[in-house]
Amino acid sequence: AQSVTQLDSHVSVSEGTPVLLRCNYSSSYSPSLFWYVQHPNKGLQLLLKYTSAATLVKGINGFEAEFKKSETSFHLTKPSAHMSDAAEYFCVVSLTTDSWGKLQFGAGTQVVVTP
Amino acid sequence: EAQVTQNPRYLITVTGKKLTVTCSQNMNHEYMSWYRQDPGLGLRQIYYSMNVEVTDKGDVPEGYKVSRKEKRNFPLILESPSPNQTSLYFCASSTPRGGTNTDTQYFGPGTRLTVL
Repeated sequence: AQSVTQLDSHVSVSEGTPVLLRCNYSSSYSPSLFWYVQHPNKGLQLLLKYTSAATLVKGINGFEAEFKKSETSFHLTKPSAHMSDAAEYFCVVSLTTDSWGKLQFGAGTQVVVTP
Repeated sequence: EAQVTQNPRYLITVTGKKLTVTCSQNMNHEYMSWYRQDPGLGLRQIYYSMNVEVTDKGDVPEGYKVSRKEKRNFPLILESPSPNQTSLYFCASSTPRGGTNTDTQYFGPGTRLTVL
């Protein structure tokens, strides 16, 4: 069975410092993995997607994530946080071999950015 | 403009009164999904559809029905709503199967449902 775990429910960073959001997955095969962002009172936006191509995936707004099969991890990073990065972030795993079928979301990580 | 629309955006109803939340996309996407979002639980998938007349259950399908008679529309039906279905609901559509790292999923603006 596939599942996804976000290791931190809240992360607080200072503006200009790096951001690290941790995500571990379990899967019986090499899954598709995603990171989404949700700003307050807004819908969700896809940041990036991994589908067994390059293990380092670059997304929008300067975010990137690295797929590490040996560690079953898909951590999201950004070199320098901006105030506009304050939002909730979700790590998502596809439970089917087609990327957009059955998706399971992590519980989310709330990111706070302080000046 | 590429978009996913949901209606209504806000709905307050009473237990047992059947309701439908509509979802429509204008991108000719094959995949569409419904999710509910509850505090502390993240998003949970209710149903998804791979194409017209092809649907499957997500994580929390109980109490919900869907239909996909046209490619652009994917309504969510609550035959007999209960208070535990009070939630924020999102519809989403995705680019065709076999996408690359460049394809994406579009979400609607959400429907806030309260069942009294």
